[in-house]
Amino acid sequence: KAGVTQTPRYLIKTRGQQVTLSCSPISGHRSVSWYQQTPGQGLQFLFEYFSETQRNKGNFPGRFSGRQFSNSRSEMNVSTLELGDSALYLCASSLDGGALNEQFFGPGTRLTVL
Amino acid sequence: AQKVTQAQTEISVVEKEDVTLDCVYETRDTTYYLFWYKQPPSGELVFLIRRNSFDEQNEISGRYSWNFQKSTSSFNFTITASQVVDSAVYFCALSEARSGNTGKLIFGQGTTLQVKP
Repeated sequence: KAGVTQTPRYLIKTRGQQVTLSCSPISGHRSVSWYQQTPGQGLQFLFEYFSETQRNKGNFPGRFSGRQFSNSRSEMNVSTLELGDSALYLCASSLDGGALNEQFFGPGTRLTVL
Repeated sequence: AQKVTQAQTEISVVEKEDVTLDCVYETRDTTYYLFWYKQPPSGELVFLIRRNSFDEQNEISGRYSWNFQKSTSSFNFTITASQVVDSAVYFCALSEARSGNTGKLIFGQGTTLQVKP
């Protein structure tokens, strides 16, 4: 069974640009969650999508958005990039996002904002 | 408030030593789940264990063991006879079962474990 895949693995952007990251969940998983990992703030929950709907959202500005497609693949977008957006962005998939279900993480996309 | 605290930022041990990673959590929910994840240098988080709030039985899996104590809100992780391959960042995480918290894991700051040969 293929794991969670994220593309691209590395990305370099400049301030003010926007970026789109992609996540393909494990086959059969309908929930996709996104996390931001930085040395200062650690791992922080961004949002969760299930059946193409955002069900839960963390405490991030509106520049961070996402969506989910009918095949459960998800994308997240960051507009007007700031230096502080440099981070490892991890996506996780689970069967239905419930607390009981294990979340399987992808390898992450490392975003550097110059 | 929901919070997970891993007070140990970095731990360094010599191979074959036992090491315990501490985790203290805060939640107002009565139903919740606790997790440990391992993050090797490659960056991918690897699931190690899940525990629900109603099951305080300790668990052992090979060289790994976990001690869950609701009375002290702790979920500690012990590696017995550590090996160099255990070197990684370890995260403790909390998931609350109440509606509206789908897909959300609350992570501690992580403990970097270095096992020296």
